[in-house]
Order: sequence, then structure tokens, then C-alpha cells
Amino acid sequence: DTGVSQDPRHKITKRGQNVTFRCDPISEHNRLYWYRQTLGQGPEFLTYFQNEAQLEKSRLLSDRFSAERPKGSFSTLEIQRTEQGDSAMYLCASSADESSYNEQFFGPGTRLTVL
Amino acid sequence: AQSVTQPDIHITVSEGASLELRCNYSYGATPYLFWYVQSPGQGLQLLLKYFSGDTLVQGIKGFEAEFKRSQSSFNLRKPSVHWSDAAEYFCAESSNDYKLSFGAGTTVTVRA
Repeated sequence: DTGVSQDPRHKITKRGQNVTFRCDPISEHNRLYWYRQTLGQGPEFLTYFQNEAQLEKSRLLSDRFSAERPKGSFSTLEIQRTEQGDSAMYLCASSADESSYNEQFFGPGTRLTVL
Repeated sequence: AQSVTQPDIHITVSEGASLELRCNYSYGATPYLFWYVQSPGQGLQLLLKYFSGDTLVQGIKGFEAEFKRSQSSFNLRKPSVHWSDAAEYFCAESSNDYKLSFGAGTTVTVRA
């Protein structure tokens, strides 16, 4: 399967712990996006990479959140000192520069539960 | 700032009946519009997209959508629903080169 993959699929953690999620985009895609989806809502944009450069961060991305894409391939999203409000589905998507008007392909998501 | 409104939170439809899901956008210029479907445990899958040209667009799984500028709408339709169409549907727009703005979604239940 050559789609977007995310690991882990589920994560349960205690408040105050740090967590890290990984996203592997479609191999030829140089754009990578992170979104957050809470229950009953649509996904909300968090951040976006063009190759290894992080080009925009949403105001939703507090200083406890950090995202990296060190070699322009896979990306990690780390949340430090997790809070119960961080419980959500974290979605990763990728697209190619040449894709027709930002057609993004989504992974299955990582569901985070903070106890 | 652009926004997307999906007025219907939940729709129940009988198998074989037609389905229409509403979507309204607020961006002034012609946005790029998308419909995605999300099944339990699955990622978002693109059903169709509109950028310009013919206002009636065809997508996968027998879905179509019509762009109506006068109504700022991009409603999704399917003539005959199958049980496998039960899922959550999201309308999204992109007014720039990267960020998608999603509506809150409509959950579709299909009854036998």
C-alpha cells in the first residue's frame, strides 16, 4: 500500500506525559500537513511543510506542540505535557506540488486519549 | 476568513433512495471546493472536487456535486444510496495553495 501511513493508530496517555506521532506521506509528495479533528467537528489545520521547511503554523498549535520533517520525508508531531483537551484524532495528509489545486491524501489518523 | 457550513448534522435515508447533502461556503472569490467521506476507522477519502468550468462535477462511488455561485453552495448528491454509503461526509474549501477548511460534517445513516 502506497498511501499515507500514521503510527500509532491509537495512543492513551496520562495528563502531563509527552507523546510523539509519526506520519509517512506518499513517497513522491513534497507537501505534508497536520490536522486535528475533535468529536463532532471537521478537521482543523495545524501546520504544513514544503519538503523540510515548516511554512505555516496555526494558532491552534500552542508552544507545547512541535512538528518536524527533518529530511523532507516522514514527519513527527510531538505534544509535551499533554492535557485532556489534547484528546483528538490527529490526521496527516500529503500532496504533490504538481497536484491539481491542493488535492490532499489523508492517512487513517492517530487517536489520542489523554486521561 | 473563509468558512464552510454544513447545515445538516445527521441525515437518515433508506437504501435505494436519493441523497443530498448541503454545503455553503463564504469565500468571496471562487474557492476550490471538495467533498470527502470518512468511514469509521478510515482516513478521509476524496469524493470529488471543483475548481472551475462545468458546475456539475462527477466523483467516485456514483456521487456528484453542483456548484452554484448565486447560492454559495456546493451540494453533494447521489441518486440511489447503498448501505455502504453510511459514513460521515465533509465539505471543504481552499482559498490558497495549501490549507483546507472543513465543515463540521454530516453523518449519513442508511436504513434497510
